[in-house]
Amino acid sequence: GQSLEQPSEVTAVEGAIVQINCTYQTSGFYGLSWYQQHDGGAPTFLSYNALDGLEETGRFSSFLSRSDSYGYLLLQELQMKDSASYFCAVKPGSNYQLIWGAGTKLIIKP
Amino acid sequence: KAGVTQTPRYLIKTRGQQVTLSCSPISGHRSVSWYQQTPGQGLQFLFEYFSETQRNKGNFPGRFSGRQFSNSRSEMNVSTLELGDSALYLCASSFDRTGGNSPLHFGNGTRLTVT
Repeated sequence: GQSLEQPSEVTAVEGAIVQINCTYQTSGFYGLSWYQQHDGGAPTFLSYNALDGLEETGRFSSFLSRSDSYGYLLLQELQMKDSASYFCAVKPGSNYQLIWGAGTKLIIKP
Repeated sequence: KAGVTQTPRYLIKTRGQQVTLSCSPISGHRSVSWYQQTPGQGLQFLFEYFSETQRNKGNFPGRFSGRQFSNSRSEMNVSTLELGDSALYLCASSFDRTGGNSPLHFGNGTRLTVT
C-alpha cells in the first residue's frame, strides 16, 4: 500500500524552531506538498518540493530527500498563530490523487 | 479573486436520508476534489473531477457520488446516510490536475452531522 508517516503531535516554545518530519512509501513520486490547517479552518498550501534540497518561504522551509523517501517542514521563530495541524502529501504519479499523511498537531507554548 | 465556496456550511440529517453538497471552485480552476475529514484524521480522498470527468475515486462505497458541471462547479451526493458519515467535507480546486506544483485551494467545508 501507499502511506505517509508523520508524528501525531509536536510541542515547541514560542520563538523556537521546530521540524516536522514526513516519510513516505509510494509507488512513484512527483513531489511532496505541505498544508497547514487551523482548528475549524480550511487547509492552506504551504510548500512543494519536487527536487532534493531545501525550499525557503519566509519563516517556513521544506526539505526533500528522494533517496531517503523523506521530507520535513521547518518552522522558525515560532509564533502562537503557528499552532495548527500540518499535513504532508505526495503525488505518486500524474494520474494519481494526492496521498496524505494523518497530520501533525503543532502545540506552541509561551 | 473569490476563493472556493462550499454550501451549505452546516447540515444536520437523519439516517437514511440523502444529502447534496455544492462547491464553486476558484474562477479558471478546472479540477475539483472532494475530501472527508473526521476529528483527528487526515484527509480521506473521495473523488477528483477534471473537465466534467471523474479522474480518480477513493475507497468509499457507492453511496458517495459526485459530478462536475461545464462551469467547473461540482456537487457531491451521499445517499442512505449512516451515522459514520458525520464529518467535515472539504472541496478543493486547482488549476490543473491535483497535486504537484498545482496546489489545492480548499473551501471552508460543509460540516455534516447525521443523527
